[in-house]
Amino acid sequence: TQLLEQSPQFLSIQEGENLTVYCNSSSVFSSLQWYRQEPGEGPVLLVTVVTGGEVKKLKRLTFQFGDARKDSSLHITAAQPGDTGLYLCAASNDYKLSFGAGTTVTVRA
Amino acid sequence: EAGVAQSPRYKIIEKRQSVAFWCNPISGHATLYWYQQILGQGPKLLIQFQNNGVVDDSQLPKDRFSAERLKGVDSTLKIQPAKLEDSAVYLCASSLRGAGADTQYFGPGTRLTVL
Repeated sequence: TQLLEQSPQFLSIQEGENLTVYCNSSSVFSSLQWYRQEPGEGPVLLVTVVTGGEVKKLKRLTFQFGDARKDSSLHITAAQPGDTGLYLCAASNDYKLSFGAGTTVTVRA
Repeated sequence: EAGVAQSPRYKIIEKRQSVAFWCNPISGHATLYWYQQILGQGPKLLIQFQNNGVVDDSQLPKDRFSAERLKGVDSTLKIQPAKLEDSAVYLCASSLRGAGADTQYFGPGTRLTVL
């Protein structure tokens, strides 16, 4: 079982600021996914990264997969209150997803 | 396209009582998952079905938890008897094939409180 560590655990910023959350493991992933979960809802997939060094952009969100495929980061530019939520990374090998504990992001208006 | 449906949305029971949760996956999805999400933690896989067969139930506490997926569509998860530490959100998800990088679609979850 892969142990995924996410940091920070909590992040509170003002609207318009940038933020970065991290996901790290001692194991190599075959692929990694980032999800956002809002209160009272299930997680929603944001992106899947599979290649070491890969960078994907989704509007103001930038996802990076480490060269060694052991770590990943999510960067949000000019955060908005709608970005508030729990950001989860999940690593997959074969058929199984293992989730990190998540980073709770609060963007204040 | 309808998403993953779960019911009930909330349930409060006393310890040692029984409870059951229901999940209806997205039509055509072969794989169904049940996760437990304790407050402050990420979801933990309890059981994965491929059609109506079990692929992985290694983290399911089988002395008190059971799950079935009759006819490869709907699924129920049961806890009998419940313990205080079972208080959590129970999430159901489905995916088309069940491969590791396959997109999993989650339902809204059932929040269980055990008193």
